[in-house]
Amino acid sequence: GDSVTQTEGLVTLTEGLPVMLNCTYQTAYSTFLFWYVQHLNEAPKLLLKSSTDNKRTEHQGFHATLHKSSSSFHLQKSSAQLSDSALYYCALTSSGQKLVFGQGTILKVYL
Amino acid sequence: EAAVTQSPRNKVAVTGGKVTLSCNQTNNHNNMYWYRQDTGHGLRLIHYSYGAGSTEKGDIPDGYKASRPSQENFSLILELATPSQTSVYFCASGDWGERAETLYFGSGTRLTVL
Repeated sequence: GDSVTQTEGLVTLTEGLPVMLNCTYQTAYSTFLFWYVQHLNEAPKLLLKSSTDNKRTEHQGFHATLHKSSSSFHLQKSSAQLSDSALYYCALTSSGQKLVFGQGTILKVYL
Repeated sequence: EAAVTQSPRNKVAVTGGKVTLSCNQTNNHNNMYWYRQDTGHGLRLIHYSYGAGSTEKGDIPDGYKASRPSQENFSLILELATPSQTSVYFCASGDWGERAETLYFGSGTRLTVL
């Protein structure tokens, strides 16, 4: 079945440094990939999504590019801010099936 | 912005007791979902619904029932709560657009089973 892997459980960064959260996936079908973000004591919400191979998708300073050749959809930001500290989920849906989430990556940004 | 409201925000229950978690959405979305969130497991799907009167099993349905009496309301029921069901539970409604469904989550219910 479909699966999503986020290899880092916790990423810690100093403010101003670049952010990269890894996401790889497995599916036999065409896919939509998503990043959801959950700030402390809040609901998860959609950050960005894509189904187009090799096209950069951007939202709120974050960007990700779906690479079907490597089954990856890494989340990036050029400069981390304190307010980026949150739990980030990568997720996929394929052929209209239900969303499958990765294990999540906690991002902590320090001064 | 889509609105999903969960109640209660926090719940403490005893082992063997019955627990009902409630969810209300004002988005008029057909699909609704119940997830549990546990460290190291991410969000796991318990039950979902395509509309009033419909409930479907998700990936981890054992020990849970669901009820969708109306378009707006979707409940998760633990008939005999166990400590392993201690978790944070999220309800979501789904909106189809651009060939994919976006989920709108509630703020969660923290359940502790003693």
